Amino acid sequence: KNEVEQSPQNLTAQEGEFITINCSYSVGISALHWLQQHPGGGIVSLFMLSSGKKKHGRLIATINIQEKHSSLHITASHPRDSAVYICAVRSTRNQFYFGTGTSLTVIP
Amino acid sequence: GAGVSQSPRYKVAKRGQDVALRCDPISGHVSLFWYQQALGQGPEFLTYFQNEAQLDKSGLPSDRFFAERPEGSVSTLKIQRTQQEDSAVYLCASSFYLGTQYFGPGTRLTVL
Repeated sequence: KNEVEQSPQNLTAQEGEFITINCSYSVGISALHWLQQHPGGGIVSLFMLSSGKKKHGRLIATINIQEKHSSLHITASHPRDSAVYICAVRSTRNQFYFGTGTSLTVIP
Repeated sequence: GAGVSQSPRYKVAKRGQDVALRCDPISGHVSLFWYQQALGQGPEFLTYFQNEAQLDKSGLPSDRFFAERPEGSVSTLKIQRTQQEDSAVYLCASSFYLGTQYFGPGTRLTVL
């Protein structure tokens, strides 16, 4: 198993720091998703990407298809960014695989 | 409604009981997904529908798990003869074909 690996598993940052979460995958993919899950369970889709880079506010997601790697960056982190960030991929066979998540805590 | 809804939000079942979990996707979303999330773990794929067709059920852990979406909108995930290891949050998501998935709040199932 472990078609999707994330690092780090846990991350603590000071408010204002630049944060990077990494995702590596081993299958051929059609798309990669970055999801955010706050305590209490609600999941929000942040990005879906299949190439290049996407930006939304302070969040940036990049993907390198050749290296089978994606990164999620958070600029000027804030305590409200504290959540679990999950990388998920849709394989070329339309199967879905999820990483176990990166638990981010941003300290004021 | 504006988002994906699931019911019930919480379900406690005695071991051996059958349970049915409901998902109402966003109107017009063709694709519907069920995931199982154990405590402290990421979601794991269970099954996927496109309209009423169940295109992939490879993630269903056993033949006690059954999902349907008879009219291509509402879906029900049924678990027969529940076991303690079935305790988890069951998440439903919908999307327009295979685009961005929108997740429901989940149903937390506890099997005693």
